[in-house]
Amino acid sequence: NAGVTQTPKFRILKIGQSMTLQCTQDMNHNYMYWYRQDPGMGLKLIYYSVGAGITDKGEVPNGYNVSRSTTEDFPLRLELAAPSQTSVYFCASSYSTPLATYEQYFGPGTRLTVT
Amino acid sequence: AQRVTQPEKLLSVFKGAPVELKCNYSYSGSPELFWYVQYSRQRLQLLLRHISRESIKGFTADLNKGETSFHLKKPFAQEEDSAMYYCALRYGGATNKLIFGTGTLLAVQP
Repeated sequence: NAGVTQTPKFRILKIGQSMTLQCTQDMNHNYMYWYRQDPGMGLKLIYYSVGAGITDKGEVPNGYNVSRSTTEDFPLRLELAAPSQTSVYFCASSYSTPLATYEQYFGPGTRLTVT
Repeated sequence: AQRVTQPEKLLSVFKGAPVELKCNYSYSGSPELFWYVQYSRQRLQLLLRHISRESIKGFTADLNKGETSFHLKKPFAQEEDSAMYYCALRYGGATNKLIFGTGTLLAVQP
């Protein structure tokens, strides 16, 4: 199992450009998450999904969009990149049932710079 | 609102010394807390959760509801313990969302 994979590893964007950060998991997890981590800060939740076709906002959703058309994939879209979106982005997944939730597994991260 | 505080950005100790990484939380519900670790060039991974009450790699953490703390302890630090440690609080019920502290870099000197 590859676990959670993210592409690209690094990206530099100009202000106003758009891009999609890809996230795929092969563990058949129903829940998926996107976090951002700014220097010296903790991870902050951007969006999450509890299953295919279902997404919801986290703490810091402004400037981002997500979709979840399959169990495996959870892409994050930046429409009009701004310098404030310079950050490291982490995708995570977990398995959850009505009776129990399990740990989140993280991807390796994407380092994004907007100039 | 829920919050997780890790007051130390950096903790430097010598090999064999005891370690305590501090974590305090604020949450109106019944808390569920975790410690995640990120070793150099590796991804973030779960170290331990308070519900399981286990010791992982010699680390333990006890939830103290009176002091709203979940400090991570190890009696004798090893060089391979050097890493970034994050305390996290689960909230949002079945959505399994996490809020993270800002992290503490543990540096174990030889």
